[in-house]
Amino acid sequence: KAGVTQTPRYLIKTRGQQVTLSCSPISGHRSVSWYQQTPGQGLQFLFEYFSETQRNKGNFPGRFSGRQFSNSRSEMNVSTLELGDSALYLCASSLVLSGANVLTFGAGSRLTVL
Amino acid sequence: KNEVEQSPQNLTAQEGEFITINCSYSVGISALHWLQQHPGGGIVSLFMLSSGKKKHGRLIATINIQEKHSSLHITASHPRDSAVYICAVSGADGLTFGKGTHLIIQP
Repeated sequence: KAGVTQTPRYLIKTRGQQVTLSCSPISGHRSVSWYQQTPGQGLQFLFEYFSETQRNKGNFPGRFSGRQFSNSRSEMNVSTLELGDSALYLCASSLVLSGANVLTFGAGSRLTVL
Repeated sequence: KNEVEQSPQNLTAQEGEFITINCSYSVGISALHWLQQHPGGGIVSLFMLSSGKKKHGRLIATINIQEKHSSLHITASHPRDSAVYICAVSGADGLTFGKGTHLIIQP
């Protein structure tokens, strides 16, 4: 069966721009969670969506937002990009809320902000 | 806020050795995940534990809820086990991750 698909895989933006990343979960999975990975901070939780509702949010500024559609696909948006937003953005899907469920990760979207 | 500590940060071993990676956390959790990340970024979930012990092939994961501690063991290590191993705990704030253990298995 198809895995978790993230698009685009690579992108380059300049400061002040905005970016939208997409995540298509495994068929039947209803939870999508997003993570940021940087060399300095490691992996950090951004937010989790389940049944089109945000269920949990990490400690990130309001420039980071997301949404989930009725088919469970999710998007995350970062507005007014800063150099420090350069990172690998990963999403993961699970059958239900991720806390006590196995996660399946996508390959990630590598964002470079110039 | 949960604090997750992994040790060691770096580990180089010879093929065939028994490997242990440790993870400690500060606040009660609903589950603990062990993840594997190869160069290039892809992350694979190895185990999700809420109690006891799980085994999959040469990998074994244990958790002690009272001591807030988990271990990941690799038996008969192989160069293909070379990767970063990450512990993550699930709590009220979502997933909190350790910094990872960079494992290199030399032939």
